[in-house]
Amino acid sequence: AQSVTQLGSHVSVSEGALVLLRCNYSSSVPPYLFWYVQYPNQGLQLLLKYTSAATLVKGINGFEAEFKKSETSFHLTKPSAHMSDAAEYFCAVTSISNFGNEKLTFGTGTRLTIIP
Amino acid sequence: NAGVTQTPKFRVLKTGQSMTLLCAQDMNHEYMYWYRQDPGMGLRLIHYSVGEGTTAKGEVPDGYNVSRLKKQNFLLGLESAAPSQTSVYFCASSSTQGLAGGRYNEQFFGPGTRLTVL
Repeated sequence: AQSVTQLGSHVSVSEGALVLLRCNYSSSVPPYLFWYVQYPNQGLQLLLKYTSAATLVKGINGFEAEFKKSETSFHLTKPSAHMSDAAEYFCAVTSISNFGNEKLTFGTGTRLTIIP
Repeated sequence: NAGVTQTPKFRVLKTGQSMTLLCAQDMNHEYMYWYRQDPGMGLRLIHYSVGEGTTAKGEVPDGYNVSRLKKQNFLLGLESAAPSQTSVYFCASSSTQGLAGGRYNEQFFGPGTRLTVL
């Protein structure tokens, strides 16, 4: 079964510093991978997605992620953190349901705090 | 386009009471999903639907029922609420045609319903 593991439930970085949020996946089929962001008291918003077209994926708000098959990883990065990046981030992988259609399996989330 | 909307935004129930959460989408999506979000556990799939009139169980279906009578609406019901069902509930929809067709599952989420069961 497909799964994702997010290392670090809480990450704090200083404003202007590099943001690195880790995600490792397990999948028996070529995966489709996603990062979603959730701002306080809001729903989830798609940040970026990997669909096998390119291993380095650029998303909104300056975020990007690199798919590394050899490491089964899809880490999220941003060169310079901004106060507005404070949110919870979820990694997700597409998996196949019992009915043969796809569904998303989410990681447990990483809460990002930005230190002024 | 309103996207995915959820009603109500907040609700407090007493143990044993029932309620229905409504999800509506105006993107003509085939698939719809109900998740619950609990601290430290990410999002867990409760039920989902692959089309009008169809529903299926997800990861944590016990204590919930769903119906999809119209393509744009997906209802989540709690027949007899329990404190363990205190959570934030999210609805999502997607228009994928399936991995076999080379498509992927990009889900669009509603703003959530915060439910407290006392």
